[in-house]
Amino acid sequence: GENVEQHPSTLSVQEGDSAVIKCTYSDSASNYFPWYKQELGKGPQLIIDIRSNVGEKKDQRIAVTLNKTAKHFSLHITETQPEDSAVYFCAAGGSGTYKYIFGTGTRLKVLA
Amino acid sequence: NAGVTQTPKFQVLKTGQSMTLQCAQDMNHNSMYWYRQDPGMGLRLIYYSASEGTTDKGEVPNGYNVSRLNKREFSLRLESAAPSQTSVYFCATTSGMVNTGELFFGEGSRLTVL
Repeated sequence: GENVEQHPSTLSVQEGDSAVIKCTYSDSASNYFPWYKQELGKGPQLIIDIRSNVGEKKDQRIAVTLNKTAKHFSLHITETQPEDSAVYFCAAGGSGTYKYIFGTGTRLKVLA
Repeated sequence: NAGVTQTPKFQVLKTGQSMTLQCAQDMNHNSMYWYRQDPGMGLRLIYYSASEGTTDKGEVPNGYNVSRLNKREFSLRLESAAPSQTSVYFCATTSGMVNTGELFFGEGSRLTVL
């Protein structure tokens, strides 16, 4: 069945360093790849997304890259700050469907 | 404008008891979802409703039933709760199909089954 693998499960970085989270998807029909941030006690919130006709997208300190051939996509956070500490989820979905398949999450800790 | 509202926020049940988790959205969205979140397993889809009047199974539907009461409300029922259903449950909504808009989540309902 459809599957999204996410690595690493936990990541600790020093404040100001970069963080990278990687996901691999199995369904070649997937063409929409959102990333969600979940703060403690809250629901996940969309931070950035990318569609299959684009290889990279940036929004200030956050960027996402997509390699459709390898079925990989990654989240890059530069100049990390303590408020970036949270759980991050990747997801994949296909146009014409209603289902989003989520990765297992990455707990990011930014050490001051 | 509350967005997505889930009730209750916390609930403790005994094995075999039943309960219903309620979700209401004021975003005029067509599609609604129920996910469960367990440590190390991410968010797994239980059921979804593409539009009012329709419901479909997700990855882990066993032990659950849903009702799309109207466009605003989507409830999740546990008929006979089991310890394996201890989890945090999230309701989410979006305007339509994947790729047509952002998926908005409620704040979650933490359920413990003893």
